[in-house]
Amino acid sequence: AQTVTQSQPEMSVQEAETVTLSCTYDTSENNYYLFWYKQPPSRQMILVIRQEAYKQQNATENRFSVNFQKAAKSFSLKISDSQLGDTAMYFCAFMPQSAAGNMLTFGGGTRLMVKP
Amino acid sequence: DAGITQSPRYKITETGRQVTLMCHQTWSHSYMFWYRQDLGHGLRLIYYSAAADITDKGEVPDGYVVSRSKTENFPLTLESATRSQTSVYFCASSPGLGSGETQYFGPGTRLLVL
Repeated sequence: AQTVTQSQPEMSVQEAETVTLSCTYDTSENNYYLFWYKQPPSRQMILVIRQEAYKQQNATENRFSVNFQKAAKSFSLKISDSQLGDTAMYFCAFMPQSAAGNMLTFGGGTRLMVKP
Repeated sequence: DAGITQSPRYKITETGRQVTLMCHQTWSHSYMFWYRQDLGHGLRLIYYSAAADITDKGEVPDGYVVSRSKTENFPLTLESATRSQTSVYFCASSPGLGSGETQYFGPGTRLLVL
């Protein structure tokens, strides 16, 4: 069974600054996918970024980038030039490639507050 | 509009009643999922479906029933609602392994069981 741990229940950052959210996971799988989802106050789950474990290059999407350390089983999210609209819950999620059904395992979430 | 929709968005019911939450997607995705999210927690998988007429249990299936007679619909039924089933329910879909693994979520249904 896979587990995903987000050790920071809450974080805050000043607008325009950079913040890093931590995520670690435990698995015996070699091929898998990792995701970060954002959940703003509207409760909608929005995909932020995804990473394939077989790719060594870290994924980036505009202001969002990840630091994927496969050996350490770590998958942190960096948000650059934070904006007020980044205020949300952020969930890290894991999906083994072998999974029958694309099953995602979520971490407990990190609540991020961007302050003006 | 294209995408994934859920209905109702809000529901209040009483203990023991049957409740059905609807999920509809217009992408013709093979996979569909139901999750529940409880206060302060991440999402936990209730049931999933790989295709029409194929369903399987997730992490927390007890008390729930699903069906999938058509690719685009995946209703979730609480046969006899309990207070512990008060939660926010999310439906999601994905093209499937080998075709794109990302799951896309509906807006959620807030269910209150009195």
